[in-house]
This record gives sequence, structure tokens and C-alpha cells, in this order.
Amino acid sequence: GQSLEQPSEVTAVEGAIVQINCTYQTSGFYGLSWYQQHDGGAPTFLSYNALDGLEETGRFSSFLSRSDSYGYLLLQELQMKDSASYFCVASGATNKLIFGTGTLLAVQP
Amino acid sequence: EPEVTQTPSHQVTQMGQEVILRCVPISNHLYFYWYRQILGQKVEFLVSFYNNEISEKSEIFDDQFSVERPDGSNFTLKIRSTKLEDSAMYFCASSEHSQNTEAFFGQGTRLTVV
Repeated sequence: GQSLEQPSEVTAVEGAIVQINCTYQTSGFYGLSWYQQHDGGAPTFLSYNALDGLEETGRFSSFLSRSDSYGYLLLQELQMKDSASYFCVASGATNKLIFGTGTLLAVQP
Repeated sequence: EPEVTQTPSHQVTQMGQEVILRCVPISNHLYFYWYRQILGQKVEFLVSFYNNEISEKSEIFDDQFSVERPDGSNFTLKIRSTKLEDSAMYFCASSEHSQNTEAFFGQGTRLTVV
């Protein structure tokens, strides 16, 4: 089967750095995306890694290692508004996104 | 900024009734999708649609479900005879190119089957 596993919850304080890990097992893997979801609303795209290495977009960075079937999302200078669910998402040759189990990030003052 | 819009935001229906969930994808996008999310769970793929036909569907998308693009702007999901377990948030999404690029999601329709 196809699966993406993430920690269910992570807690951090404002201003800190947090890393959300994702391990995946999928067939026909093309790349790994990260989506943010606030309070069950629309998932919104954060980043996409097709190649191994680190992609940086402002306070957010995403990493992929194909050989390890592993990726992570790094959030720096945490703000209260970053409290949300974060999903790693696999894409492949077929027209669908496979969502991970999701990580609920709680940012505390 | 262009966005995917969905109506209604919330629908309550009796078991066995038919429901139609509506979506207006972003106008220049070519690929359309429906996903669902049962409360507190992950987002699950239902179906993808390209060039006026289904390109892929999951095992969830059985004969009770159908999709249609009745005109140049709307994209609908029909559930023929709703079951209690169909209660979920249904998200429509669209993308300009293949799934390997950014997908834009609507705000969702919360379907409650009673």
C-alpha cells in the first residue's frame, strides 16, 4: 500500500524552530509537497521537493531524501498563526495527491 | 487572487437522499479533483478529472458517486444515495498542469448525513 507517516502532534513556543518529519512508502513517487490546514479549512500549498535537498521559502524550508524515503518541513521564527495541521503529500505519475497522516502544530506564547 | 469556490458551505441531508456538491475551479486550470476529509482524519483522494473525463478514481469512489462538468465553469460531485458514513468535508481542487504542481483547494462543503 501507499502511506505517509507523520507525528500526530508537535508543540513549540513562539520564536522557536520546529521540524515535522515524514516517512513515506509509495509507488511511482515523483515528489513531496507540504500543505497547511487551519481549523479544517482549505489545505494550502507550502512547498514542493522533486529533487533531494533543501528548498527554502521564507520562514519555511522543506527537505527530501529519496534514498531514505524521508522528508521534513522546517518552520523557523514560529508565530502563533503557524498553529495548524501540516500534511506531507506525495505525488506521482497518476493524477492524485496522497496525503500523510497530518501533524497538529501548537505554538505557545 | 483566483480561488476555487465551493457551494454550499454546509449541507445536511437525510440518509438515502441525493446530494450535489458544486465547485468552480480556477478558470485556466485543466485538472480537477475531489477529496474528502472525515473529521479529524487525513485528506483522502476521491477522483481526478481531465479533458472532460475521469482520469483516476479511488476505491472510495464507487457507483454511488459521479462527477460532471456541465458547463465551462462548474464541476460537480453527486452522491446518489447518501449513507451516514458519507458525512465528511468534501474539498474540490484544481491545478493548472499535472498533479505534480501546486493544487488549489476550495474551502470545502461540510456534508452531514442524518
